[in-house]
Amino acid sequence: EIVLTQSPGTLSLSPGERATLYCRASQSVLSNYLAWYQQKAGQAPRLLIYGASSRTTGIPDRFSGSGSGTDFTLTISRLEPEDFAVYYCQQYGSSPRTFGQGTKVEIK
Amino acid sequence: EVQLVESGGDLVQPGGSLRLSCGASGFTFNTYWMHWVRQAPGKGLVWVSRINTDGSSTTYADSVKGRFTISRDNARNTLYLQMNSLTAEDTAVYYCARGAVGATPFHYWGQGTLVTVSS
Repeated sequence: EIVLTQSPGTLSLSPGERATLYCRASQSVLSNYLAWYQQKAGQAPRLLIYGASSRTTGIPDRFSGSGSGTDFTLTISRLEPEDFAVYYCQQYGSSPRTFGQGTKVEIK
Repeated sequence: EVQLVESGGDLVQPGGSLRLSCGASGFTFNTYWMHWVRQAPGKGLVWVSRINTDGSSTTYADSVKGRFTISRDNARNTLYLQMNSLTAEDTAVYYCARGAVGATPFHYWGQGTLVTVSS
């Protein structure tokens, strides 16, 4: 099983600032099949990024993903008020399809 | 518009059983793999199970193997999760999610249904 470790656990930032979230895999993620999801309180997760760097339709271009192998990054270039949420990475190249433990982006 | 609507969540005693349903609409249900993902209160997302398009292949997380059974009725556009021998550790919101054939992320999720295991 591939273990995904996200860091930091919590990121305290102000609107307009840049957020950088990390996801490290315990072994190489097949074909960079790495996704990022956003989850707000009381809501289902929403897919932001897949294939490590491809944005889902309708996701603003302030969200970008990068990385390969075992190290991946989600960057939010300028935080908007609606971006404060919990973010999860997921690898979907191997079974079981594991998630990271999440990074909470909170308002400073 | 793709819609996934879970139902069946309830309060159940330890050792009990429950069947969750997920009704699908807005897409050709029998051409997509489907998944269940759960989230314990205040915790992260955990993948539970997956079923292929015709129900002939299923996989499970180790934590539920032998206790949970995923199935689907393509005529009714409905996904199921039969949960037996429930414990407090199974308390969670259960989401159904749409995958696709092979390695794909989960583009669509239901709103979730809460299962509480407690005496």
